[in-house]
Amino acid sequence: SQTIHQWPATLVQPVGSPLSLECTVEGTSNPNLYWYRQAAGRGLQLLFYSVGIGQISSEVPQNLSASRPQDRQFILSSKKLLLSDSGFYLCAWSPGVAEQYFGPGTRLTVT
Amino acid sequence: AQRVTQPEKLLSVFKGAPVELKCNYSYSGSPELFWYVQYSRQRLQLLLRHISRESIKGFTADLNKGETSFHLKKPFAQEEDSAMYYCAISGGGADGLTFGKGTHLIIQP
Repeated sequence: SQTIHQWPATLVQPVGSPLSLECTVEGTSNPNLYWYRQAAGRGLQLLFYSVGIGQISSEVPQNLSASRPQDRQFILSSKKLLLSDSGFYLCAWSPGVAEQYFGPGTRLTVT
Repeated sequence: AQRVTQPEKLLSVFKGAPVELKCNYSYSGSPELFWYVQYSRQRLQLLLRHISRESIKGFTADLNKGETSFHLKKPFAQEEDSAMYYCAISGGGADGLTFGKGTHLIIQP
């Protein structure tokens, strides 16, 4: 069966520091991969998605970037964190049809 | 642009009472609609999708294209139904889901 992992589970970083969040999927090949941010009272906002290695689409302009160095690995990065980057980051995968399956998330606090 | 509206941030009902979580959407084509649920300390998980026309944990949702709604219903609420519920829409492609802001459902004993 397919599983999706995210790490770290929680992270506290100072403003201006770099960020790297990792997401990996097991048990499937060539999944579509997604990064969302969940902020209190705002629901889930799609940040990036990828349909293949090296293919990244950005939904909103922001201080973040994404990369997909391997088929089942999706990384969310920032060179310099802002206070507004705090939130709960969710990675999801899809087999190619619309429904998506979510990871456990990373709670990021920028201080 | 597609949009999902969940008008209730919080919905509190008593155990055994009927539940209806509202979801309205705007989309120019033929969307696919989903309900996701997030129980306390658990990950977000798919509850049901409109194309399956299924009942999961006693919940059903009917797509009403005329009213552009996809309300989630359950005739008799149970305490374990307490959770955050998100309605989501997709155009059917690979470009992600658009979520509503969620409704926090509390089932009181």
